[in-house]
Amino acid sequence: QSVLTQPPSVSAAPGQQVTISCSGSSSNIGNNYISWYQQLPGTAPKLIISDNNKRPSGIPDRFSGSKSGSSATLGITGLQTGDEADYFCGTWDSSLTAVVFGGGTKLTVL
Amino acid sequence: QVTLRESGPALVKPTQTLTLTCTFSGFSLNTSGMCVSWIRQPPGKALEWLALIDWDDDEYYSTSLKTRLTISRDTSKNQVVLTMTNMDPLDTATYYCARTSFGSNSLDYWGQGTLVTVSS
Repeated sequence: QSVLTQPPSVSAAPGQQVTISCSGSSSNIGNNYISWYQQLPGTAPKLIISDNNKRPSGIPDRFSGSKSGSSATLGITGLQTGDEADYFCGTWDSSLTAVVFGGGTKLTVL
Repeated sequence: QVTLRESGPALVKPTQTLTLTCTFSGFSLNTSGMCVSWIRQPPGKALEWLALIDWDDDEYYSTSLKTRLTISRDTSKNQVVLTMTNMDPLDTATYYCARTSFGSNSLDYWGQGTLVTVSS
């Protein structure tokens, strides 16, 4: 049971857009920065969004992040087959004094 | 260029202690705000954060695994070591280390991971 809640799966057609939600509480998302990670099959996770909405160097602007209260959203536009991956949200939990992750969302580009 | 690499045994027996080493380059754990985390991922499952050590040598642990984990650092060797006692088949997973930025809470660079199987 993950501290942060994500939908298990989302899907959309190439070229379309998709959003992935991540919900938590005031002890984690509500008062700390959220990050998003992309994990392509068989590879290590990769940071794609930090500080709620910042893209590290090399991450295309098709990826965006937002936060409202104790929830966050990852948006991906212009979907490509290469975007098929698992996506995880993560943040610090001030009550647990621990990094916490969501359970992950599998993106299928149909 | 920041890199991290995990090393350790691929196979351990139940009840044994696992020792994993993260060797990194491109940053210093003596720099304010720098941290290194350990994370694991059982096959086909979600990421699970295990522990973190920061530039001030403060340690943080997963609540559920706290009694079994110890994280330490050797800044002269640019290494962070994780030990996990009393290994169980349920601990079979890929273990990752990642640079973690204090404040941002983001794990911005990850190692490739090392698969640890617990079996007799």
